[in-house]
Amino acid sequence: QSVLTQPPSVSAAPGQKVTISCSGSSSNIGNNYVSWYQQLPGTAPKLLIYDNNKRPSGIPDRFSGSKSGTSATLGITGLQTGDEADYYCGTWDSSLRGVFGGGTKLTVL
Amino acid sequence: QVQLVQSGAEVKKPGASVKVSCKASGYTFTSYDINWVRQATGQGLEWMGWMNPNSGNTGYAQKFQGRVTMTRNTSISTAYMELSSLRSEDTAVYYCARVWELLDPFDYWGQGTLVTVSS
Repeated sequence: QSVLTQPPSVSAAPGQKVTISCSGSSSNIGNNYVSWYQQLPGTAPKLLIYDNNKRPSGIPDRFSGSKSGTSATLGITGLQTGDEADYYCGTWDSSLRGVFGGGTKLTVL
Repeated sequence: QVQLVQSGAEVKKPGASVKVSCKASGYTFTSYDINWVRQATGQGLEWMGWMNPNSGNTGYAQKFQGRVTMTRNTSISTAYMELSSLRSEDTAVYYCARVWELLDPFDYWGQGTLVTVSS
């Protein structure tokens, strides 16, 4: 049972937009920055969004993040087949322990 | 470029211990904390703990307290994660991941090490 709650799956057609939610509590998301990670099949996770809404160098602006209260959202526009992956939200809790969501599988139809 | 290169796959019997290494390059090893995260097949990410390579200080998830030990050898820029009293539920891919300091994001990850626990 993951500390953060994500939908198990989302899907959309190529070129469309999709959002992935991540719900937590005041002891984690409510008081810390949220990061998002993309895990392509058979590979290690990769940092996609950090500090709620910042993109590391090389991440296209099709990917965006936001946070409100104890929830966060990842948005992906202009969907491509290469975006098919598992997406995880992550943050820290008040005891300085890392916490993750259960992951969301994105299918580009 | 920053790289975290982990040791190869392991097969262990229940009750045994496993030690996974994570060799860092492309940055100053002692400037970033190393965290360990595991992922069982088809499951999500599970945070195990962190280690500060400069001080050797560690912090572990309660679930692994007493079974996990995180150490380092600064002379070869390598971090280690040892898990003891292995059981079948410990079968997973183990990742090391770098953070600038606690509360920061995991900005670089190792390629993962599959640990299989089977009799």
